[in-house]
Amino acid sequence: KNQVEQSPQSLIILEGKNCTLQCNYTVSPFSNLRWYKQDTGRGPVSLTIMTFSENTKSNGRYTATLDADTKQSSLHITASQLSDSASYICVVRDGGSQGNLIFGKGTKLSVKP
Amino acid sequence: DAMVIQNPRYQVTQFGKPVTLSCSQTLNHNVMYWYQQKSSQAPKLLFHYYDKDFNNEADTPDNFQSRRPNTSFCFLDIRSPGLGDAAMYLCATSHLSLGTDTQYFGPGTRLTVL
Repeated sequence: KNQVEQSPQSLIILEGKNCTLQCNYTVSPFSNLRWYKQDTGRGPVSLTIMTFSENTKSNGRYTATLDADTKQSSLHITASQLSDSASYICVVRDGGSQGNLIFGKGTKLSVKP
Repeated sequence: DAMVIQNPRYQVTQFGKPVTLSCSQTLNHNVMYWYQQKSSQAPKLLFHYYDKDFNNEADTPDNFQSRRPNTSFCFLDIRSPGLGDAAMYLCATSHLSLGTDTQYFGPGTRLTVL
């Protein structure tokens, strides 16, 4: 069964610190993996997208990595800011004819001053 | 700015009273999606339109219907809302012919059922 598991479920860090969020998936065949940021009460916003051949991609202070062999991805946030407080959702698209999107449940990040 | 707009942002309805949520887009994308997201859960795809072709997910209840009268607008109709239908409803768009399948989400409509 295609699944996307994220850890930790929630995380609290101090402003200015770095953190890493994890995403493991069992989706096969694989098409791409993306990370979304969802502020409370808002729709998700795309941060990065990676295909099978890409193993790292950056968007400002956000850096995503992908290991397609172990089916793991991480999102690293550098020098966190209060505005980084949000849920971060890992989404994997399967490479089959349906091209379904499989969503993780997200990691809720709280950045404290 | 081009965007995905959802109205209303907050909707309160009574148990069993039909409700319609609306989504509009200025991106001219050919695909529009409706998701249901309950607290601390991942968004769950209800259905999507590829142009005028309607695609229903197998486990979407019959209580949920959708209309897409033109490229820009898509509606979610809940015929008889139950307490379990209280959730955030997200509309998203994408344009498959652009070589990318990135979905652009609207801000969502939070539905409360009394």
